[in-house]
Amino acid sequence: KAGVTQTPRYLIKTRGQQVTLSCSPISGHRSVSWYQQTPGQGLQFLFEYFSETQRNKGNFPGRFSGRQFSNSRSEMNVSTLELGDSALYLCASSSGLAGSSTDTQYFGPGTRLTVL
Amino acid sequence: AQSVTQPDIHITVSEGASLELRCNYSYGATPYLFWYVQSPGQGLQLLLKYFSGDTLVQGIKGFEAEFKRSQSSFNLRKPSVHWSDAAEYFCAVGPHENYGGSQGNLIFGKGTKLSVKP
Repeated sequence: KAGVTQTPRYLIKTRGQQVTLSCSPISGHRSVSWYQQTPGQGLQFLFEYFSETQRNKGNFPGRFSGRQFSNSRSEMNVSTLELGDSALYLCASSSGLAGSSTDTQYFGPGTRLTVL
Repeated sequence: AQSVTQPDIHITVSEGASLELRCNYSYGATPYLFWYVQSPGQGLQLLLKYFSGDTLVQGIKGFEAEFKRSQSSFNLRKPSVHWSDAAEYFCAVGPHENYGGSQGNLIFGKGTKLSVKP
C-alpha cells in the first residue's frame, strides 16, 4: 500500500506570492490533516479535512486555506507569503472513523517551503 | 491549555546504552498518546500509541512507553540504543473524545533530538 505523498517536495517563493501544496492520502483514508513545522514553533496543526469538509482548524491566519477533493486528495494554499511562512509542511492521513482505536495518522515526507 | 512538554531538547547516549525520553502532558482528560520519530529531511513515523488498557505499550524498533496517569507522563524507553536510532523524537497527544473520534488534531511537543555515540 502506498504511503502519503506530497508534492512538490521543495519550493522557493518570494514574499507576496501564493503557493499551493498537494497531498495524496493513503488509499481508503478519508481524513487529511496539515501541520507546519518550524525550528522555533515546532509542529503546529493547521487544519483537518474529512469527506471534503473542514472539521477542525488550528490557530493560523486566513492566508492559510485548504480543501479536499472527492478522492480525498487535499491541497493547502498560502496567499501573500511572508518570510515567516518558511517551513516544512507535513500532511497526514487517517481513516477518520469515529471512535476507532486504530485511527492513527500517517505522515508524508513533507514539502519544504522557502520564502525569500 | 492543552500542551505537551518534552524537557530534554538534546540527549546523547552511547550505542548499546539504555534510553529514556521524557514526555509530560497537560490535558483536560486522559488523551490518546503517541510517539513519533523523524529522521533528517523525512516525515514522521509512528513508533507507538496508547489509547487505553495496558499502560505499558510496545512499539516498533524495540521501543516501549509507559503511561502514568498520576504523573501525566508518557515516557519512551529502549533497553539498547542502536546508531540508527539517532533522530528527533516527538511526543503527541490527541483528543480522547471529540466530534469524530479521529486523531486529526494532534498537539506535539517540541521534540528531543537523540545523538548516538559509537
